[in-house]
Amino acid sequence: NAGVTQTPKFRILKIGQSMTLQCTQDMNHNYMYWYRQDPGMGLKLIYYSVGAGITDKGEVPNGYNVSRSTTEDFPLRLELAAPSQTSVYFCASSIRQSSYEQYFGPGTRLTVT
Amino acid sequence: RKEVEQDPGPFNVPEGATVAFNCTYSNSASQSFFWYRQDCRKEPKLLMSVYSSGNEDGRFTAQLNRASQYISLLIRDSKLSDSATYLCVVNTNTGNQFYFGTGTSLTVIP
Repeated sequence: NAGVTQTPKFRILKIGQSMTLQCTQDMNHNYMYWYRQDPGMGLKLIYYSVGAGITDKGEVPNGYNVSRSTTEDFPLRLELAAPSQTSVYFCASSIRQSSYEQYFGPGTRLTVT
Repeated sequence: RKEVEQDPGPFNVPEGATVAFNCTYSNSASQSFFWYRQDCRKEPKLLMSVYSSGNEDGRFTAQLNRASQYISLLIRDSKLSDSATYLCVVNTNTGNQFYFGTGTSLTVIP
């Protein structure tokens, strides 16, 4: 049981490039989330999904897109990368909303230069 | 105004000390509350949920004060292994969004 896995672990992008951050969970959780964490800051929600085919914006969705075609996978797409998107990205999942624990992946460290 | 605010610290305490962290939240309709622990360059992991009546897990005690809109975490008999950043997390009344504080840094000194 791997939990939540994320790839890649590290990536350096040039301004204007695009990439997809992969996230997979094997716990059959309905809820999945993407966060970014800037140095010295709390995690901020980018997008979330309450089930396959359903996604919604969080606090900071601009510059990102997501899709949820299966229960297991929740990729995050960066189009036209900007230096402001330099951050650590965490994917998380939970069995339900609200009062249930979120399980986090190990994170992707992204630098845009 | 931020949804969740925490004193960033750092808190540097000797082994065996008792230390307390507070966290305030702005949305009075918030429903669920948590403390997560984050080690350096690692992902957050749930430390404990916070219930209205307060709850304890070994050396850790969490309290919720809805009237004043704050949550606290008390760590007794601090261990070196408690050194980490502690994140206060609040879930909104809609249930779909979690708001994280910036974290409180704790270093336990031998």
